[in-house]
Amino acid sequence: DTGVSQDPRHKITKRGQNVTFRCDPISEHNRLYWYRQTLGQGPEFLTYFQNEAQLEKSRLLSDRFSAERPKGSFSTLEIQRTEQGDSAMYLCASSLAGQRQGTQYFGPGTRLLVL
Amino acid sequence: GESVGLHLPTLSVQEGDNSIINCAYSNSASDYFIWYKQESGKGPQFIIDIRSNMDKRQGQRVTVLLNKTVKHLSLQIAATQPGDSAVYFCADFYSSASKIIFGSGTRLSIRP
Repeated sequence: DTGVSQDPRHKITKRGQNVTFRCDPISEHNRLYWYRQTLGQGPEFLTYFQNEAQLEKSRLLSDRFSAERPKGSFSTLEIQRTEQGDSAMYLCASSLAGQRQGTQYFGPGTRLLVL
Repeated sequence: GESVGLHLPTLSVQEGDNSIINCAYSNSASDYFIWYKQESGKGPQFIIDIRSNMDKRQGQRVTVLLNKTVKHLSLQIAATQPGDSAVYFCADFYSSASKIIFGSGTRLSIRP
């Protein structure tokens, strides 16, 4: 399978704990995006990388959130001191610069539940 | 605030009929409008997009219509099948920001 993969698919944690999610994009894609989706809503943009450079961050991405893409391939999203309001689906997507840029390919997501 | 919004949160159609899902947008600066399909437990899947300088685009069993005068977008699915059951999102894309802004989604259910 050469699609976008995310790990883990599900995460349950207690409030105050740190969590880290991983995303592996489609191998030749140089752009990688993180979104958050709450129940009944569309995905909300969090941040975007081109290669290893983080080019944009949403105001939704508080100081407790950090994302990295150290070698321009996989990416990690870390949430520190989780809160119940962080419970959501975290989606990763990738695309290739030069293609129709709206054609982002999404992974299956990591569903986070903070107790 | 949200720049795209769907007219109805749910839509039920008879199998074999055509489905029409409507969406309104507010920002005239979008470069593309995009429709995504999201099945339960999966990430959104790209269906079709349309450039802002076009009125109509057709794909396999799907047609997107764009009316810039009234800032309205629609997705038409021909001969709706059970596999079309999903939540459909309209979204717009700003190339200056390289991000997609999603609407809130319409859940399409199919009656046998």
